[in-house]
Amino acid sequence: DTGVSQNPRHKITKRGQNVTFRCDPISEHNRLYWYRQTLGQGPEFLTYFQNEAQLEKSRLLSDRFSAERPKGSFSTLEIQRTEQGDSAMYLCASSLSALAQETQYFGPGTRLLVL
Amino acid sequence: GDSVTQMEGPVTLSEEAFLTINCTYTATGYPSLFWYVQYPGEGLQLLLKATKADDKGSNKGFEATYRKETTSFHLEKGSVQVSDSAVYFCALAYGGSQGNLIFGKGTKLSVKP
Repeated sequence: DTGVSQNPRHKITKRGQNVTFRCDPISEHNRLYWYRQTLGQGPEFLTYFQNEAQLEKSRLLSDRFSAERPKGSFSTLEIQRTEQGDSAMYLCASSLSALAQETQYFGPGTRLLVL
Repeated sequence: GDSVTQMEGPVTLSEEAFLTINCTYTATGYPSLFWYVQYPGEGLQLLLKATKADDKGSNKGFEATYRKETTSFHLEKGSVQVSDSAVYFCALAYGGSQGNLIFGKGTKLSVKP
């Protein structure tokens, strides 16, 4: 069990460019979550997958954001036409099941800076 | 909607001092409650959790009790160490179709030797 991994760890881009982040969850974890964390705030939910199905999206996830989890394994989060307000830490988490008490295991995050 | 409120930080303590970080929640149902910790340069990790009223979660000397009557889940430790310096997040989750965690803003703890 190598934990949740995310790539890249850091991304600097210019406003208007597209970026894509990858998350590799713990193997056999059915649930995969994406959160966004800005400075001084707690993580905020963006979206989650149950296997390959995207079941919920937050209102924070504008049309410029899209996420996929093909084959229920790794996931990608793409931001199109980035804006300076997208600068944040993007966190991925996975859990074995959908139970309320299930622990979510977090990756190290991808820090995005939009210039 | 559901929310979590934590005491404002930063909190600065001397080594071996008693720690309390207050956390209260607003919930429409009966969630599970969590404390996550983020050490400098590391990712979020679970510290402890409680799944129903009156449950006590504990780990590494930290404790928190799920208090339904006061909608609270305060984090306590009897004697903090320098290595406890981190940001602590209180969170709730329901599971199922609402499985995402709802976090508080976090409380930064600095422990001085």
